[in-house]
Amino acid sequence: DVLMTQTPVSLPVSLGGQVSISCRSSQSLVHSDGNTYLHWYLQKPGQSPQLLIYRVSNRFSGVPDRFSGSGSGTDFTLKISRVEPEDLGVYYCLQSTHFPNTFGAGTKLELK
Amino acid sequence: AVQLVESGGGLVQPGKSLKLSCSASGFTFSSYGMHWIRQAPGKGLDWVAYISSSSGTVYADAVKERFTISRDNAKNTLYLQLNSLKSEDTAIYYCARQSRRVMDAWGQGASVTVSS
Repeated sequence: DVLMTQTPVSLPVSLGGQVSISCRSSQSLVHSDGNTYLHWYLQKPGQSPQLLIYRVSNRFSGVPDRFSGSGSGTDFTLKISRVEPEDLGVYYCLQSTHFPNTFGAGTKLELK
Repeated sequence: AVQLVESGGGLVQPGKSLKLSCSASGFTFSSYGMHWIRQAPGKGLDWVAYISSSSGTVYADAVKERFTISRDNAKNTLYLQLNSLKSEDTAIYYCARQSRRVMDAWGQGASVTVSS
């Protein structure tokens, strides 16, 4: 199985600040079709996960441009700028290039 | 709007069975693959099973031979049959739609507690 290593585990932030979350995979996430199936989700307290970024850098419908994704191969980053209160929660990366799909362990974004 | 609603969760004894349902609306259910993902209390997300639009299935090793994913396209419903339940199966179970290899819509989850 592909191991997804997500860091940091906890990320204190001030409102209006900028943060980055890293996700590294144990093998390349480039699919034979040429796409890289690495996605980012936010799970707010008491809610189900919601898709933020798909295929590395594409913002899902309704996601503000404060969220951006980058990376390639095995090394990926989610950046959040001008953090707002509704951004707080746990962020997960997910790879769906290989079966079984595997998630990172999560990064909790909380107020400093 | 796309909507997924899980049901069927509850408290069950070890070794017993339970069947979860996920009712879909707002999209052509038969055209999409579907996943089950679970989250143990206070833990992260674990993928459980997948069924394609043509009903091909894949399972996580931890649930293979015990869980069965299925679908009824006429009823727009996804199922997960959970057999031989163990305490470590205690979790919230989410269904999610797959669109171009992305889980783009999730239900609110169904809680399963396995305890004597």
